[in-house]
Amino acid sequence: DVKVTQSSRYLVKRTGEKVFLECVQDMDHENMFWYRQDPGLGLRLIYFSYDVKMKEKGDIPEGYSVSREKKERFSLILESASTNQTSMYLCASSFEGNTIYFGEGSWLTVV
Amino acid sequence: KNQVEQSPQSLIILEGKNCTLQCNYTVSPFSNLRWYKQDTGRGPVSLTIMTFSENTKSNGRYTATLDADTKQSSLHITASQLSDSASYICVGVRGGAGGYNKLIFGAGTRLAVHP
Repeated sequence: DVKVTQSSRYLVKRTGEKVFLECVQDMDHENMFWYRQDPGLGLRLIYFSYDVKMKEKGDIPEGYSVSREKKERFSLILESASTNQTSMYLCASSFEGNTIYFGEGSWLTVV
Repeated sequence: KNQVEQSPQSLIILEGKNCTLQCNYTVSPFSNLRWYKQDTGRGPVSLTIMTFSENTKSNGRYTATLDADTKQSSLHITASQLSDSASYICVGVRGGAGGYNKLIFGAGTRLAVHP
């Protein structure tokens, strides 16, 4: 089975802190994604990557950056966390246009 | 504008009953339509993927339909179980260059199955 692992399930950070969310997939997928999920809204794409060191902005990239140094790992970085970034963050991976596999999610609270 | 709208927002049914969830999509160029199940506090899990030429696809007690003319899809759940309690997310997928297809997510329908 494909496994997408998000290292932190629950985090509480202070405003202004730098936050790293890590994601690892074990299926050699080229594509990796970071989404944000808020109540009443569909998942919104923050960034995606289609290869090592390659990244593309999604729909809501402001306040976020990403890093993909190795194929299996895709990191989401909040340079200076703000309260409006309190949300659930979902990492996902896929091979070409096939099924997208999601991680279990990381719940981030910024106080 | 590319968008996916789902109805109802929430639904409560009794165990053993059937239900149907609706999805209207405006996605261009259209590649495929997907249904995901998301348990509370977990990541979404794929139920079905339907392309333009497919009208119906089943996955156990879940049956998805697609009407490409009206741009509507439905997810029918038969003989519901308590474990079906979850959010069901409809996703329209745009065709894209470079192997990346953009996903347009609906807000989901929250289903509660009561004993």
